[in-house]
Amino acid sequence: GESVGLHLPTLSVQEGDNSIINCAYSNSASDYFIWYKQESGKGPQFIIDIRSNMDKRQGQRVTVLLNKTVKHLSLQIAATQPGDSAVYFCAESLTGNQFYFGTGTSLTVIP
Amino acid sequence: GAGVSQSPSNKVTEKGKDVELRCDPISGHTALYWYRQSLGQGLEFLIYFQGNSAPDKSGLPSDRFSAERTGGSVSTLTIQRTQQEDSAVYLCASSPDRGTRPQHFGDGTRLSIL
Repeated sequence: GESVGLHLPTLSVQEGDNSIINCAYSNSASDYFIWYKQESGKGPQFIIDIRSNMDKRQGQRVTVLLNKTVKHLSLQIAATQPGDSAVYFCAESLTGNQFYFGTGTSLTVIP
Repeated sequence: GAGVSQSPSNKVTEKGKDVELRCDPISGHTALYWYRQSLGQGLEFLIYFQGNSAPDKSGLPSDRFSAERTGGSVSTLTIQRTQQEDSAVYLCASSPDRGTRPQHFGDGTRLSIL
């Protein structure tokens, strides 16, 4: 089966700093990737996605970078805020097939 | 409502009992997924429905687990003869199609087996 893993299970950052959350994926054929944010007691919430024909995509305060050469995905959060504290998951899929999720990285923002 | 709705939000039951978990997907979404999330873990795929096609049951951990989707909308996940290792959060998600668009998740049912 597929596997998606995260380099750091926990990350603590000061409020206002930038955060970078990393993810490795194993299937070089995967062509669609998503980042989710999960707050305690809630379901995962979509943040941003990227397709394999792109290497960078920006949203509001977030940027996803895709490096297909090393099968690496990262999520950058600019000017991290206390409300960004949550567990962040990456997920990969091959179009038309199911998604595979990583274990998650817990982000704590220190005021 | 606008989002995926799951009920109950919490369920506590005794070992050996059967439980039914319900999911109301976003209207118009043809794809529906069930996942299991154990404490501090990622999401474990259980089952997937797409329109009127046969469901993908490849993630169901045992024959005690089953799911159905009636009328292409509401889905129920049934766990028979529950065991303590079934304790987890069960998440439902829906999307317009499979693998090409993000899934929208409900807040899950937290199942505790005593």
